[in-house]
Amino acid sequence: KAGVTQTPRYLIKTRGQQVTLSCSPISGHRSVSWYQQTPGQGLQFLFEYFSETQRNKGNFPGRFSGRQFSNSRSEMNVSTLELGDSALYLCASSLLAEETQYFGPGTRLLVL
Amino acid sequence: SQQGEEDPQALSIQEGENATMNCSYKTSINNLQWYRQNSGRGLVHLILIRSNEREKHSGRLRVTLDTSKKSSSLLITASRAADTASYFCATARVLTTDSWGKLQFGAGTQVVVTP
Repeated sequence: KAGVTQTPRYLIKTRGQQVTLSCSPISGHRSVSWYQQTPGQGLQFLFEYFSETQRNKGNFPGRFSGRQFSNSRSEMNVSTLELGDSALYLCASSLLAEETQYFGPGTRLLVL
Repeated sequence: SQQGEEDPQALSIQEGENATMNCSYKTSINNLQWYRQNSGRGLVHLILIRSNEREKHSGRLRVTLDTSKKSSSLLITASRAADTASYFCATARVLTTDSWGKLQFGAGTQVVVTP
C-alpha cells in the first residue's frame, strides 16, 4: 500500500497570507490527524477527522482549520499567517483513531 | 502541553552498544507508541504496547510498560549508525470525546550512534 502523502513538501509564505496543506491517507484509513512540530513546542495535536467529521481539536486558534473529503483526503488551512506558524506540519492516518498512526513526510512551512 | 517526557534528552553511543531511553506520562492510557524521526522528516512507527501488556519485542527493539509507575522504556540492542535519529514516545489516552485521534508526544530523545 502507498503510504501517507502530503503536498506540498515545502512552502514559503509571508505574514498575513493564508496556506492550504493537503494529506492523502493510506487507502482504507478513515481517521486523519494533523500535528504541528516546532523546536520550541515539540509535536502538538491540531485536529482529527473521521468520515468527514472533525471529532477532536487541539488548543490552536481559529485561524487553523481543516476538512476531510469523502475519499478521506484531508486539507488544513491556516489563515492570516504569523511568524510563529513556521513549523513542520505532519499528517497521520490510521484505521482506528486510537491505534497506530502512520505519518506522512510533512510539509515544512516557513513564514517570513 | 506534552503528556510524555523522555529521558535522557540526548544519548551518544558507539555502534554495537545498547541504547535505552525512558518515557514517563501523566494520565491513564489506552496504549503507548514509540516513533523514530530522522532529521525533521516524518515519524516512523516503531512499536505499540497496550496498557495491559508489560513487554513487547520487535527485532532489535524491546519496549516495557509499567502502568503503575506511568513509565515506559525503549531498548535498542546492538545499535547501528542508521539508528541515529530522534525517538518519541506517544500516548493514546483512554477514549473520551477529547482524545479521538490524539497522540500526546514527549519531547524526544536524540540518539547519535557513531561508527
